[in-house]
Amino acid sequence: GAGVSQSPSNKVTEKGKDVELRCDPISGHTALYWYRQSLGQGLEFLIYFQGNSAPDKSGLPSDRFSAERTGGSVSTLTIQRTQQEDSAVYLCASSFSGGTYEQYFGPGTRLTVT
Amino acid sequence: GENVEQHPSTLSVQEGDSAVIKCTYSDSASNYFPWYKQELGKGPQLIIDIRSNVGEKKDQRIAVTLNKTAKHFSLHITETQPEDSAVYFCAATASTGANSKLTFGKGITLSVRP
Repeated sequence: GAGVSQSPSNKVTEKGKDVELRCDPISGHTALYWYRQSLGQGLEFLIYFQGNSAPDKSGLPSDRFSAERTGGSVSTLTIQRTQQEDSAVYLCASSFSGGTYEQYFGPGTRLTVT
Repeated sequence: GENVEQHPSTLSVQEGDSAVIKCTYSDSASNYFPWYKQELGKGPQLIIDIRSNVGEKKDQRIAVTLNKTAKHFSLHITETQPEDSAVYFCAATASTGANSKLTFGKGITLSVRP
C-alpha cells in the first residue's frame, strides 16, 4: 500500500522567507509525527498529533515553527522567517495510533536556507 | 528526558562477516526500542524493534538484543551483504500509550566491503 508521502522533496528558500512542508500519512493512521534531521545528526522530535487531541508541541525549537493537521489526515509544517540554521531534512512519520509504537517515515523534505 | 547514545559512528566489515551495533539509553522507563536503516536520500526504514518484555528478537539475518539492567540494546546483522551498507539509527521511547515520540541516537554508517 501507499506509504507516507511528503512534498516538496527539496526546497531552497532565502533567509527570512516563510516555507510550508506537507505530509500525507498512511491511510488510517491516526498518529502523526514531525522530526528534523540535521547534517550528521540523529532525528530530533518536533511535534505530535493524535486524532482530535491537542498536539504535543514540546519539540518545536522556536515560535517560528508551527504545524497543523486538517481533518485528521494531511499535516503542514510551517517555518516563518527562515534562518540558515533551519536547513535540515524534515521527516514526517505516521503510526496506526498513539498507543501503537511502529512509526513509518516518509522520504523527507530537504530544506536549504540561503 | 531520554538520552540515546550510539557508538561508534562508523563501522566497516567484510562481506559475509557479522556486524554488531550497540546503543545505550538513560531512561529506565523506556519500553520500546526500534532500529531504522536509512539509505542515501531516503527516509528511515523500520527494520526491527523490541519491547521491554523480551530480551531478544530475530528476523532472518537481523536480530536485536536488550539488556534492561545495563540499559543497552544491540543490532546484530549476520552474513552481511553490500546492500546492508547504510546508516543505522537506534531509538527509544518511554511511551505510556499516548505520545510515542522517539529519541534517536546519532546513527552509525555501516560499510560492507565486497
